Amino acid sequence: EPEVTQTPSHQVTQMGQEVILRCVPISNHLYFYWYRQILGQKVEFLVSFYNNEISEKSEIFDDQFSVERPDGSNFTLKIRSTKLEDSAMYFCASTVRQPFNTGELFFGEGSRLTVL
Amino acid sequence: GQQVMQIPQYQHVQEGEDFTTYCNSSTTLSNIQWYKQRPGGHPVFLIQLVKSGEVKKQKRLTFQFGEAKKNSSLHITATQTTDVGTYFCAGLRGGATNKLIFGTGTLLAVQP
Repeated sequence: EPEVTQTPSHQVTQMGQEVILRCVPISNHLYFYWYRQILGQKVEFLVSFYNNEISEKSEIFDDQFSVERPDGSNFTLKIRSTKLEDSAMYFCASTVRQPFNTGELFFGEGSRLTVL
Repeated sequence: GQQVMQIPQYQHVQEGEDFTTYCNSSTTLSNIQWYKQRPGGHPVFLIQLVKSGEVKKQKRLTFQFGEAKKNSSLHITATQTTDVGTYFCAGLRGGATNKLIFGTGTLLAVQP
């Protein structure tokens, strides 16, 4: 069964360092998302991406965050200068159709980011 | 901004007992989805509801979408230990948005 894959599974970084989280969405999917989940809390929307541009972003997704689809398969989330409060599990998700058009989200297993 | 709340936050049941989680949105939703997240895992899609008053069943799970499309519920009959996890509703506002907003989640613990 096709799945969304994410790397790394866990990254530890020093505050102020840049981090890139990578995702390979399901191959025929068109809409891509990043969500984050602070330990024990809800899943928070960060950004959605379609047709090589950001569709929507949340207030969490400030200038320190960026997303890119550098080739036909990878979808990356970059945090330029990490802060302690960026420590969380970051989930990539993809869907073949937009959620308002009956598109379920397929989530990857997540990348745990720990900022020291 | 749009908020989606769930109650209870946590429920502990004996295996075989029923379980219900309730989801309430501050805004009217065009559709609602339900996801299950096992401990240490990622959210996995369960179902989507679109119509006002819609009820859908999946084996022991019954999902309902309120008439006003602002609330939803998930009911599990005769829980099993495999039902353990956090259940999230996720709502989509009407209009040209694809921002699926997750609820606060209900963690279900099932004692054998």
